[in-house]
Amino acid sequence: DIQMTQSPSSLSASVGDRVTITCRASQSISRFLNWYQQKPGKAPKLLIYAASSLQSAVPSRFSGSGYGTEFILTISGLQRDDSATYFCQQSYSSPSSFGQGTKLEI
Amino acid sequence: QVQLQESGPGLVKPSETLSLTCIVSGGSINSYSWSWLRQPPGVGLQWIGYVSYSGSTNYNPSLKSRVTISIDTSRTQFTLKLSSVTAADTAVYYCARQDNTNVYDSGRYSPVSYMDVWGKGTTVIVSS
Repeated sequence: DIQMTQSPSSLSASVGDRVTITCRASQSISRFLNWYQQKPGKAPKLLIYAASSLQSAVPSRFSGSGYGTEFILTISGLQRDDSATYFCQQSYSSPSSFGQGTKLEI
Repeated sequence: QVQLQESGPGLVKPSETLSLTCIVSGGSINSYSWSWLRQPPGVGLQWIGYVSYSGSTNYNPSLKSRVTISIDTSRTQFTLKLSSVTAADTAVYYCARQDNTNVYDSGRYSPVSYMDVWGKGTTVIVSS
């Protein structure tokens, strides 16, 4: 199975900042990488699919990059509403697997 | 837009079978695959498996011996059954729609799948 590792596990930032979250795969997964946002008590919400494609209706301050084993989620111009936990997910091979999550506090 | 709603018992006894249903509304159940995932308290997400609109399935090997996912397109719903449950199966269970997009890589197009619509989740506690 492919292991997904996120860093950092948590971070604190201020409104207006730019933050990056890294996700590393235990083997190459091409661009088969998705990012989700989850707020407490809510279901995850798809932000980015196929490493860099922005899901419909997601603000353009969210962006994704990367290929192979290293991927980055960037949030520019942080807003208070961005306070959440962010997960990466690989869909390169079954079973699909998720990173452990990165908790972002604003 | 498409909405998903999970339903089922919130409390299941150890060794019994957990059974959850996800109703799809506001859109077609055809042409997609439909997934179940879970999230134990304070832990990350685990993919359980999916069923396609045609009925084919794919399960997480760690749960495969205990999982059955089925679909009823006429009733626009799909179902998760997890047998022989233990306290380790206590979690929030989510149903989700699985879509995909083709990406060009290494000389060919391949589908990248992702979960684009989620239910709100339902908490299942395994306890006697």
